[in-house]
Amino acid sequence: GAVVSQHPSWVICKSGTSVKIECRSLDFQATTMFWYRQFPKQSLMLMATSNEGSKATYEQGVEKDKFLINHASLTLSTLTVTSAHPEDSSFYICSARVAGEIGELFFGEGSRLTVL
Amino acid sequence: DQQVKQNSPSLSVQEGRISILNCDYTNSMFDYFLWYKKYPAEGPTFLISISSIKDKNEDGRFTVFLNKSAKHLSLHIVPSQPGDSAVYFCGANDYKLSFGAGTTVTVRA
Repeated sequence: GAVVSQHPSWVICKSGTSVKIECRSLDFQATTMFWYRQFPKQSLMLMATSNEGSKATYEQGVEKDKFLINHASLTLSTLTVTSAHPEDSSFYICSARVAGEIGELFFGEGSRLTVL
Repeated sequence: DQQVKQNSPSLSVQEGRISILNCDYTNSMFDYFLWYKKYPAEGPTFLISISSIKDKNEDGRFTVFLNKSAKHLSLHIVPSQPGDSAVYFCGANDYKLSFGAGTTVTVRA
């Protein structure tokens, strides 16, 4: 099946710094990628929809200036957590759908962010 | 407003028995439903899906049932195995995927 890879899988940073997480579709093209956040013992919360070549669509309550999303190519979307604070510590997961298809989403392995 | 609900946060089942996970939704525009399985500190993995034009889809030990009039779907796992112990998320799709809160399944040996 299609493979989505995230990098890094684990990152620790100091408060106030910025962290970039990459999401790559390895063997397919994805015009749309999705970024989720999971708090402990809670569901996956959709943060934003990343569209190749255009601005991301953010869900209500998600700060677009804090969570910068760039979808520069059909195989890469990045999420940058700017000026990170301890409350941003979470598990961030991306997913992608094969361009032109509906239905199944392929998920990355997730990236665990810890802000000290 | 949560459009996809999994009202049972946990389920414990004996190995070899059937696990039944339930999911309810409110949005009649959902046209595709999926179940994902997630282990701690890992990304979700796709299990099984069903289109809104069907009422049943089976894949090995996993069967998903869809009752559109009741806006309800369920996942049956039979027989349950210890490796099935994980969190299961129900997802529903219109133009984006919305998830339920998840059900933690524990399979007892």
